[in-house]
Amino acid sequence: NFMLTQPHSVSESPGKTVTISCTRSSGSIANNYVQWYQQRPGSSPTTVIYEDNQRPSGVPDRFSGSIDRSSNSASLTISGLKTEDEADYYCQSYESSIRGVFGGGTKLTVL
Amino acid sequence: QVQLAESGGGLVKPGGSLRLSCAASGFTFSDYSMSWIRQAPGKGLEWISYISGGGTTIHYADSMKGRFTISRDNAKNSLYLQVNSLRAEDTAVYYCARDPRHSSSSGWFDPWGQGTLVTVSS
Repeated sequence: NFMLTQPHSVSESPGKTVTISCTRSSGSIANNYVQWYQQRPGSSPTTVIYEDNQRPSGVPDRFSGSIDRSSNSASLTISGLKTEDEADYYCQSYESSIRGVFGGGTKLTVL
Repeated sequence: QVQLAESGGGLVKPGGSLRLSCAASGFTFSDYSMSWIRQAPGKGLEWISYISGGGTTIHYADSMKGRFTISRDNAKNSLYLQVNSLRAEDTAVYYCARDPRHSSSSGWFDPWGQGTLVTVSS
């Protein structure tokens, strides 16, 4: 089994760009798709990126995802930060019978 | 619209059991795989279990094998999670979530229900 490691927290100012990383411990990051979920306080998670870099309808194009084979990691980039983007973000992948492997989550503060 | 509504949470004593339910609406329930995921207070997300649309394929996280049992009743559009021998560390919000892909397994979760809180305490 593998693990996904995220930074505990990141902060940035409104209007700026922030990138959150998600590093896979073993096996290639490209083996299985990576998803990103946003969770605001008191709410359930919602998908902001699926299958590495796809955006669900309704998610602004300020949100983008990518993977980097050289660092074995995935990244979520949010540009033009808004205060409403302040939330916890979780990366997630899977492997055969392990349907859900989540990163520890990153708290984004927009200050 | 697609809706998932969990129920069955509450305060339970250590060693007790609980059956959580997830009522689905707005889609053909039997066509979609479902999962249970939990989140301890102030902590991250933890996948518990997966069940295919027809109920024939079931997976559990290694740490959940033995005390957790997932099941579904497609006639009632409902998903269940039986949890036995509850411990304090099982205290969490329990979410049900649908696989977004029809008649297949995509490996991710969308949408999620609102969750039901299970508190294990004497």
